[in-house]
Amino acid sequence: DTEVTQTPKHLVMGMTNKKSLKCEQHMGHRAMYWYKQKAKKPPELMFVYSYEKLSINESVPSRFSPECPNSSLLNLHLHALQPEDSALYLCASSQEMDSYNSPLHFGNGTRLTVT
Amino acid sequence: EDQVTQSPEALRLQEGESSSLNCSYTVSGLRGLFWYRQDPGKGPEFLFTLYSAGEEKEKERLKATLTKKESFLHITAPKPEDSATYLCAVRISTAGGTSYGKLTFGQGTILTVHP
Repeated sequence: DTEVTQTPKHLVMGMTNKKSLKCEQHMGHRAMYWYKQKAKKPPELMFVYSYEKLSINESVPSRFSPECPNSSLLNLHLHALQPEDSALYLCASSQEMDSYNSPLHFGNGTRLTVT
Repeated sequence: EDQVTQSPEALRLQEGESSSLNCSYTVSGLRGLFWYRQDPGKGPEFLFTLYSAGEEKEKERLKATLTKKESFLHITAPKPEDSATYLCAVRISTAGGTSYGKLTFGQGTILTVHP
């Protein structure tokens, strides 16, 4: 079992809906990430939080809004999504953002379908 | 431009037939090469981190090696449960001399082991 927990596992939403994805880790990691993965493609970075502050935004559309309420939790708020946003959304964490010896540990993702 | 290329795209083996997966990279300022295993519908599972040329890591039937231009993931006497997509990723230095959590992933190798 992964130590990064994501909920829900599956989500179907309409283009006018507002929903949130949640991620939790209890490994004491100070960096948390959102990745997006389309079928048969590698994960693509969306956001990086370090010590609860947004450090990296990879030019993600504003219909995706990240939030880090504390060092263990990470949310991704979704609003007015498009069908092409359907994908597997992965959360990851690492000890530090800039540490040499700090692999990312991934959750099992939320499978999002936008209708 | 930093690039990570994995080969082959797909590999089919008979149980017990050893082989190797390749990850070649052209990046400046490598600060870690990572191997992950991903099962369908799951998040990537961390396997190994390699930092410097000549380094080797082993775990069960898997052995990862690193040179200045590429990494190999050797699979010895594979079993059907080793079937998965294997992803290689690199972390690079930024212009300021630090790195951040962005991993650049290769496209992956889909490994199928037949009994």
